[in-house]
Formats: sequence, C-alpha cells, structure tokens
Amino acid sequence: DIRLTQSPSSLSASVGDRVTITCRASQSISSYLNWYQQKPGKAPKLLIYAASSLQSGVPSRFSGSGSGTDFTLTISSLQPEDFATYYCQESYSFFSITFGQGTRLEIK
Amino acid sequence: QVQLVESGGGVVQPGRSLRLSCVASGFTFSHHGMHWVRQAPGKGLEWVAVIWYDGSNKYYAASVKGRFTISRDNPRNTLYLQMDSLRAEDTAVYYCARWGDDRKNDYWGQGTLVTVSS
Repeated sequence: DIRLTQSPSSLSASVGDRVTITCRASQSISSYLNWYQQKPGKAPKLLIYAASSLQSGVPSRFSGSGSGTDFTLTISSLQPEDFATYYCQESYSFFSITFGQGTRLEIK
Repeated sequence: QVQLVESGGGVVQPGRSLRLSCVASGFTFSHHGMHWVRQAPGKGLEWVAVIWYDGSNKYYAASVKGRFTISRDNPRNTLYLQMDSLRAEDTAVYYCARWGDDRKNDYWGQGTLVTVSS
C-alpha cells in the first residue's frame, strides 16, 4: 500500500504569511496527488488536483507542485478563512486511495 | 448543482448491522465512480470503499473488507454502504464522495455519524 507522510503535523502562522505543507509518498505516484481543506464539522473541500491544477472556485493564493514522491501545497498569503486542516490524497491506484495524516494550520 | 446527501447513521451495538445511503443529484450519477470515506472523532480521513460507475468493480480498505459492502442503484441515483459486524473502531462520520475526472473527490456529502457502542 502507498503511504503518505505530511509535514508538519501542525503549524502556527499569521494572516499574510506564506505557508508551505509537504506530502511525501512511499513510492512514485506520478502526479496523482490531490489536496483538501477541512474545517471543523464540515466535509473536506478539494483545492488542488493532479498535483498542481487549481479546482474551480478556489482562490489563486493556493498552489500545488511536485511529482513522483514529493509534493507541496503553498498558500501565498494566509487569509483568516484559511485556518483549517489540510490533507493530501493519492489517487495512483484504481483499487484504493490513501490520505495523509493531515496538517492543522492554526492562528499564531 | 451537485448534491450528495447521506443518511442512515445512528447508534448501534457492536456486532450489529447498519446501512448508509447517499442520494445524488445535479449530475449524471451513472457516469461516476463513488467512494465512502470516514473520519473517526478527532482523527484524520480514512478511505473505506469505491465502486465503479456501473457497479462492475468494488474495492475496500483492509479494515472493512469482508464486513462492509458498497453498492449502487443507478436508476435511483443512490449509493449504499452495508456495514455488518460493526466494531467500536467503526465509529466515525461517514462521507460519500464523487470520483470526478482526473481522479479526484470533487464533491462530498455532509456526512452521517455512526456510533458503535453498547
């Protein structure tokens, strides 16, 4: 099974900061990597798919990069509504998908 | 607009069964694979199962294989998760999610809470 390791597990930052979250896969997954944002009590929301494509309606301050085993999610200038938990997800296999353990982004 | 609405959650004793439903609207249900994903209280997301657009293939996480069954009724635009032999560790919010183009879960339901407790 493919394993995804996110870092950091938690992060404190201020409004206006640039933030980067990384996701490392246990084997190459090409560009089959998605990013989700989840707020308390809500369903996950798709931000980035195929490693670097911005989902429709998502602000352009969110961006993704990477391929193979190493991926990043960057928020260029944090806004108050961005404080949430972020998950990466691999979709390389047709038989299963895996999520990273999550990164909790908190207000400093 | 795309909507996914789960139902069927509740409190159930260990060893008993429960069936979850997810009614889809706003898109051609029969054109999309569908997933169940769960989240235990205070924990991360865990994939549970996937079913192909036509129901021809189904795959499960190791933690539920042999106990859970995913199915769909395309004319009724409904996805199901039959959960048997429930355990305390199955306690979670269960989400259904559409499998969109480019292998992404682009739409999610609001979730339904399953609590397994005696």
